[in-house]
Amino acid sequence: GAVVSQHPSWVICKSGTSVKIECRSLDFQATTMFWYRQFPKQSLMLMATSNEGSKATYEQGVEKDKFLINHASLTLSTLTVTSAHPEDSSFYICRVLQGEGYGYTFGSGTRLTVV
Amino acid sequence: RKEVEQDPGPFNVPEGATVAFNCTYSNSASQSFFWYRQDCRKEPKLLMSVYSSGNEDGRFTAQLNRASQYISLLIRDSKLSDSATYLCVVRHNQGGKLIFGQGTELSVKP
Repeated sequence: GAVVSQHPSWVICKSGTSVKIECRSLDFQATTMFWYRQFPKQSLMLMATSNEGSKATYEQGVEKDKFLINHASLTLSTLTVTSAHPEDSSFYICRVLQGEGYGYTFGSGTRLTVV
Repeated sequence: RKEVEQDPGPFNVPEGATVAFNCTYSNSASQSFFWYRQDCRKEPKLLMSVYSSGNEDGRFTAQLNRASQYISLLIRDSKLSDSATYLCVVRHNQGGKLIFGQGTELSVKP
């Protein structure tokens, strides 16, 4: 089956630094990737939709300059949390759409803690 | 108001109990419906899709009422391993984004 690799699985960083999270599709080409954030005891909230070769589409209330998304190839999308603050501490997870008629696959998630 | 709303939970039930989760959605254009299961600190995993005619997978039964915009999940003969958070999810169109409910936590005790 389709495999999506998300890295790192957890990261602790100092306030003010930037963190890059990678989401890779290992055995298929992913034209669309979604990035979600989940705070404790809350639902997954869509942050942005990433399409290969074009700019990401951000959901209302998500700062595009703070959460940089790059989808430069059909197998890799990255989310960079810039100038991270403690309130950015959350579970970040990607979801990949393989194509119409195929299913969706989640990455394993990244738990970010900003201290 | 959230687009997808679920029972607040948590549900604490003994092994063997039957438990029902309810979910309502506000967007009548929603086309696809799912129940996902999420274990602590893990990614959500698809439990089952929900069809208008209702569908069953072993101990799990899902129902959809489009007129009432209501989705349910019934778990019979609950096991310890069923302990998790259950997420109600809707999708507006093919290839579209998923909208997640806040989840209902289930804890099955011996």
